[in-house]
Amino acid sequence: QMQLQQSGPGLVKPSETLSLTCTVSGGSISSYSWSWIRQPPGKGLEWIGYIYKGGNTNYNPSLKTRVTISVDTSKNQFSLNLMSVTAADTAIYYCMRGNGWYADWGQGTLVTVSS
Amino acid sequence: EIVLTQSPGTLSLSPGERATLSCRASQSVNNNYLAWYQQRPGQAPRLLIYGASSRATGIPDRFSGSGSGTDFTLTISRLEPEDFAVYYCQQYGGSPLTFGGGTKVEIK
Repeated sequence: QMQLQQSGPGLVKPSETLSLTCTVSGGSISSYSWSWIRQPPGKGLEWIGYIYKGGNTNYNPSLKTRVTISVDTSKNQFSLNLMSVTAADTAIYYCMRGNGWYADWGQGTLVTVSS
Repeated sequence: EIVLTQSPGTLSLSPGERATLSCRASQSVNNNYLAWYQQRPGQAPRLLIYGASSRATGIPDRFSGSGSGTDFTLTISRLEPEDFAVYYCQQYGGSPLTFGGGTKVEIK
């Protein structure tokens, strides 16, 4: 089982860019696809998108114009960037391995959008 | 987009009882690519079932998944104290991937 460790700020100002990183251990990042989802406090789960091991990406249409998922193989990390955030983007963000069902999860990062 | 509707919203049961959770899709889920997750307070979701009926590694056999097409069920044969949690279904047969709204299993 792989270990996924998330890092990034817990507070982001409105209109700025939310940036989170997930560091993978216990396996090669190049061998798998990688995903992000989010969960507003007290609410359900929303898929954000994933990056295939070949580098292609697939994003939720509701976020597509603002989101970028990328991989840094040299650091065994993958990242989420979400631009132009508003209060509606306040949520716990999770990184996961795969692009279908998800057995390996990061610990989650609560990101609050507030000035 | 495939909309997943979970019912009931809340299930009040006692330890040892059987729990039956439903997940209905707005259209057929390709290849029955349907997963179930358990989420306890303050924790990340945990994969229970994938492919509608395959148990994930380390999941007790009291958890079982069934169904096909648009109707899927998660059954917990005998509730243990640690099973009281929120359960989500998720489809990965089409894009965007989507989740149901969740069923909370609470102690009666």
